Amino acid sequence: DAMVIQNPRYQVTQFGKPVTLSCSQTLNHNVMYWYQQKSSQAPKLLFHYYDKDFNNEADTPDNFQSRRPNTSFCFLDIRSPGLGDAAMYLCATSRGHPTEAFFGQGTRLTVV
Amino acid sequence: AQKITQTQPGMFVQEKEAVTLDCTYDTSDPSYGLFWYKQPSSGEMIFLIYQGSYDQQNATEGRYSLNFQKARKSANLVISASQLGDSAMYFCAMSRTSGGYNKLIFGAGTRLAVHP
Repeated sequence: DAMVIQNPRYQVTQFGKPVTLSCSQTLNHNVMYWYQQKSSQAPKLLFHYYDKDFNNEADTPDNFQSRRPNTSFCFLDIRSPGLGDAAMYLCATSRGHPTEAFFGQGTRLTVV
Repeated sequence: AQKITQTQPGMFVQEKEAVTLDCTYDTSDPSYGLFWYKQPSSGEMIFLIYQGSYDQQNATEGRYSLNFQKARKSANLVISASQLGDSAMYFCAMSRTSGGYNKLIFGAGTRLAVHP
């Protein structure tokens, strides 16, 4: 059974129209991460939560926000998607001192 | 600053042969972890193997082993007996400590092609 689930797998949104990607986990891990991965590039960390503590990467655009209402769920909100935000978005979870981090299958975002 | 370097953009290997994918890292933290992930064309990141900085022995998981050379700051992945299904992108990653939390950062990746 999948332990980290991302919905939807594919998302098409209009330029400038807010979009939300979701991630849920059954592992009860206290850390959840959001990564952006553009074609043929390494995943780039956007932000992560340690429990309810939000940690933003310094170069994450303000256009990207996140919410974690409880341990199991985490959301990525893109307030005004631009063409440059088209990418695969990966959610991952781990314990606080990870010996492994589990990823969801990703959401591939297309901006039209 | 912590950094992961994978110098091989692409690698080819014959089926059933062994292949080594290179990874070097830079960190001033005494405690860190090193990971390898496989990413097939479908996009999901599949965890392969983990090595802790204080682990005395090299990690092994089935056909995967991690050649950890701490003094050289390298953590190469060795895949033995390559299979066609091993064709994928491979990422080396490191966990680092920031404000008491561990964050996972990735190298640029190596694309492996296994030929029959």
